[in-house]
Amino acid sequence: AQTVTQSQPEMSVQEAETVTLSCTYDTSENNYYLFWYKQPPSRQMILVIRQEAYKQQNATENRFSVNFQKAAKSFSLKISDSQLGDTAMYFCAFMKTLLQGGKLIFGQGTELSVKP
Amino acid sequence: DAGVIQSPRHEVTEMGQEVTLRCKPISGHNSLFWYRQTMMRGLELLIYFNNNVPIDDSGMPEDRFSAKMPNASFSTLKIQPSEPRDSAVYFCASSFGTGQGSQPQHFGDGTRLSIL
Repeated sequence: AQTVTQSQPEMSVQEAETVTLSCTYDTSENNYYLFWYKQPPSRQMILVIRQEAYKQQNATENRFSVNFQKAAKSFSLKISDSQLGDTAMYFCAFMKTLLQGGKLIFGQGTELSVKP
Repeated sequence: DAGVIQSPRHEVTEMGQEVTLRCKPISGHNSLFWYRQTMMRGLELLIYFNNNVPIDDSGMPEDRFSAKMPNASFSTLKIQPSEPRDSAVYFCASSFGTGQGSQPQHFGDGTRLSIL
């Protein structure tokens, strides 16, 4: 069975600085997807960034980027120039292809606080 | 574009009552997922449908829970009879995928269910 581990329950960062959230996962699959979702206090689940396992290039979305290390089964999220609106719970998630099941398996989350 | 629509947003009811949660997926999406979020267990998949057919219901806690998807634009999650331990936030998500490919899941705003 697949598992996702986020070892940092809480983190804080000063506004405008950079922070990295860690995520490791366990799977025997070769083809899969990885995601970071953000859940602000409003409790919406917002997709931040996505990575396909077959792509070697790390995904980036504006201030958000990932460091995907397939062999190490590591998928960290870097937030540059942190903003107050980045304060939220961040979930790392693993998904097999739809043919193999297609459901998201979430880590326990990291609560990020951006301080002014 | 309309996102995933869930209703109600909040539900408070007494133990033993029947509860029905509703979800309208994004038009054109062919997969629909029900997740439950609690402090103790985090985010966990209850059931998911592909092309209106239930594919994996291994996460459904017990016979008190049932889910239906009568057509591509509507799904329900029913709890009968409800118990205090069912209190949680219930999310519906939808995505489009075929075979080896799959798009990210988009989440509704969730239903916060409180069973007294």
